[in-house]
Amino acid sequence: TQLLEQSPQFLSIQEGENLTVYCNSSSVFSSLQWYRQEPGEGPVLLVTVVTGGEVKKLKRLTFQFGDARKDSSLHITAAQPGDTGLYLCAAETSGSRLTFGEGTQLTVNP
Amino acid sequence: GAGVSQSPSNKVTEKGKDVELRCDPISGHTALYWYRQSLGQGLEFLIYFQGNSAPDKSGLPSDRFSAERTGGSVSTLTIQRTQQEDSAVYLCASSLDPSRLDTQYFGPGTRLTVL
Repeated sequence: TQLLEQSPQFLSIQEGENLTVYCNSSSVFSSLQWYRQEPGEGPVLLVTVVTGGEVKKLKRLTFQFGDARKDSSLHITAAQPGDTGLYLCAAETSGSRLTFGEGTQLTVNP
Repeated sequence: GAGVSQSPSNKVTEKGKDVELRCDPISGHTALYWYRQSLGQGLEFLIYFQGNSAPDKSGLPSDRFSAERTGGSVSTLTIQRTQQEDSAVYLCASSLDPSRLDTQYFGPGTRLTVL
């Protein structure tokens, strides 16, 4: 079983729509991170959430950390084709390593 | 350099051959990580180097995999007697100070195909 479960696995929407991606676990984390990865590139950190209940905004992206620090969500408002990519959540586990979810592949069609 | 670099960008090899993948971290970063990513999947931790400490090798999938980091900078991941299931993108990342939860910066990866 995956430590971090992401849903949905695939998402294809039209430009201008809103969407939410989820990252869930039965474990408690001190922090969670969200990355976006484009083809042929490594993941790029979008945000780190640390406090239970925390909400962070990055332009049209809103990230939330669950009160119990077991889950997180990423909401995108008015999606654009440039938002297309693989969205990954990750948590620091032992020894500063990152454990990743399997990702949500988002396609935004013009 | 401005970021983490990896070489080669693509590697095609035959089953049973050995391969070496190289990672040049960001200058001054003390921590270096290797991950493996299967097609469209999340990343799987392989190995972690921090300064002069013994590396955390707990993610290496078999004894055919090894890695070293020379002079606290460049790292090489070696896969011996490659198998088809080794086909994946191998990603390297570095961070300035992992004790402060510093950001891990990823390279573009090496796509390994084992025929």
